[in-house]
Amino acid sequence: KDQVFQPSTVASSEGAVVEIFCNHSVSNAYNFFWYLHFPGCAPRLLVKGSKPSQQGRYNMTYERFSSSLLILQVREADAAVYYCAVCDDKIIFGKGTRLHILP
Amino acid sequence: DTAVSQTPKYLVTQMGNDKSIKCEQNLGHDTMYWYKQDSKKFLKIMFSYNNKELIINETVPNRFSPKSPDKAHLNLHINSLELGDSAVYFCASSDRKDTQYFGPGTRLTVL
Repeated sequence: KDQVFQPSTVASSEGAVVEIFCNHSVSNAYNFFWYLHFPGCAPRLLVKGSKPSQQGRYNMTYERFSSSLLILQVREADAAVYYCAVCDDKIIFGKGTRLHILP
Repeated sequence: DTAVSQTPKYLVTQMGNDKSIKCEQNLGHDTMYWYKQDSKKFLKIMFSYNNKELIINETVPNRFSPKSPDKAHLNLHINSLELGDSAVYFCASSDRKDTQYFGPGTRLTVL
């Protein structure tokens, strides 16, 4: 079955680099999408592609069946849920990773 | 200009009622979606709708039915509302294989 896997939670201290890992089993999917969701607000795209890319503090690594979202200099305001998604003939989302920022 | 809009923003209703949430996108996208933010605040896809092809998440009760009068609209109709239906519902749209753009959400409270 086509699925996208990511950890349910990740924790980090402020100022660190956080890595959220994602892998999938979708044979015809080549692009990764990383979304940010503050619960109750509209989710939004952070970064996407089929190669490593960067948007501000957000870096995306790329392998054929896996990607990591790296958040540089993480801060308390980054505490949210992050979704990984891939696309073959439809978008398939992971279940989301909740980022906790440690005091 | 709002790309993906939902109405109403808040909806409070009694158990057993039937209600609809409307979604409109002005991006010219061909695919629209409905998501439910569950009690643990994670998003779960309910439906996707592309060119009259409806893909249903099998875990969604059949009390929920999407209705698409045209390509720019995908409304969510809910029959016989239950307490457990209380949640935030998000609409989204995309060009089929590309970035999804989400609406601001509709907070449904069933009393």
